[in-house]
Amino acid sequence: EDQVTQSPEALRLQEGESSSLNCSYTVSGLRGLFWYRQDPGKGPEFLFTLYSAGEEKEKERLKATLTKKESFLHITAPKPEDSATYLCAVQNNAGGTSYGKLTFGQGTILTVHP
Amino acid sequence: DAGVTQSPTHLIKTRGQHVTLRCSPISGHKSVSWYQQVLGQGPQFIFQYYEKEERGRGNFPDRFSARQFPNYSSELNVNALLLGDSALYLCASSLARNEQFFGPGTRLTVL
Repeated sequence: EDQVTQSPEALRLQEGESSSLNCSYTVSGLRGLFWYRQDPGKGPEFLFTLYSAGEEKEKERLKATLTKKESFLHITAPKPEDSATYLCAVQNNAGGTSYGKLTFGQGTILTVHP
Repeated sequence: DAGVTQSPTHLIKTRGQHVTLRCSPISGHKSVSWYQQVLGQGPQFIFQYYEKEERGRGNFPDRFSARQFPNYSSELNVNALLLGDSALYLCASSLARNEQFFGPGTRLTVL
């Protein structure tokens, strides 16, 4: 069964203090790893998809990287508006009842103080 | 372009009642997935429909059912509501097995 574990559960940063969020995963065959941002009471907002080890994607202050066992979301010089819960999810390449299914971690709650 | 829309936004029901949640996908997307998110946890997969056929089912009881209509919109039905069904219900649309884009969710409270 696919599993995703995110760490830390919560992270408090000062504005401008760079850091990284970790997503460890086990999956029978990885089709894609997805990062989402979720604000309180709202639906997750898509950020990145990573497909193979060594791949990197960037968007503004965020950079996602992927290895065969984990993914990192690096946040450079964060601002208070980056405060949110960041979710990691995996999709395996099996069909059948797992078709398209995303398996999520529990998320990392990021708070950036001014 | 309009994103994924869900209705209603909030819903309060009592135990034993039935509820229907609705979702309209992004134009051109033929796949709709449903997830349940309990406070403090990541979303849990309930169903996926593609081209009006069920393509995936998560580990949820038979009280949960769904369908997809010819215009690709979808309904999630939950019968015999339990207190533990209180959650944020999320709908996501995608082209197929691609990136899934989520709607704002329906907050269900069961009393």
